[in-house]
Amino acid sequence: AQSVTQLGSHVSVSEGALVLLRCNYSSSVPPYLFWYVQYPNQGLQLLLKYTSAATLVKGINGFEAEFKKSETSFHLTKPSAHMSDAAEYFCAVSEGDYKLSFGAGTTVTVRA
Amino acid sequence: DAGITQSPRYKITETGRQVTLMCHQTWSHSYMFWYRQDLGHGLRLIYYSAAADITDKGEVPDGYVVSRSKTENFPLTLESATRSQTSVYFCATYLAGEADTQYFGPGTRLTVL
Repeated sequence: AQSVTQLGSHVSVSEGALVLLRCNYSSSVPPYLFWYVQYPNQGLQLLLKYTSAATLVKGINGFEAEFKKSETSFHLTKPSAHMSDAAEYFCAVSEGDYKLSFGAGTTVTVRA
Repeated sequence: DAGITQSPRYKITETGRQVTLMCHQTWSHSYMFWYRQDLGHGLRLIYYSAAADITDKGEVPDGYVVSRSKTENFPLTLESATRSQTSVYFCATYLAGEADTQYFGPGTRLTVL
């Protein structure tokens, strides 16, 4: 069985500051890991995914995430926040099939 | 290329009424899913379908019914709506072989009064 824990339901950053969203997972097999972003009143959009290739994964809009097996983590970062990054972010894990387990989500607000 | 469409986008209904949420995909993805999104819970799987005429329960199926007579459609029915079913509902599809990537529709915001 797999599960995901996102640390912090709400993160507030200043424009231009580092964005760091934390995600820890549990999985009985090597996991596939995902970050999705949800803009207001929209569906979820895939930001990036880890599928056992490179441990540092680059996604859209300048985001990247690093898979650390020893820490069972898949934290999402962006060096410089932009106002357009304000959204809700979800970490998700799969064990190689169609089933995804989602974290509770982290809402990011960006201060001017 | 619309991908996944959901209708209606917004719905207000009353307790005890039957409500059907529609999901349509323009691809031919074999898997389709229904999730509900609630504050503090992320997305929880209600039902999924591996192909036409094949459906199975997810994490929170009680009070919901699904069918899939055609590959492209996957309606979700609340047989007798309750206030606890007030939520945002997302439909998603999955194409096997694409490393588990699920594609999501825009969602339906349902309010049960």
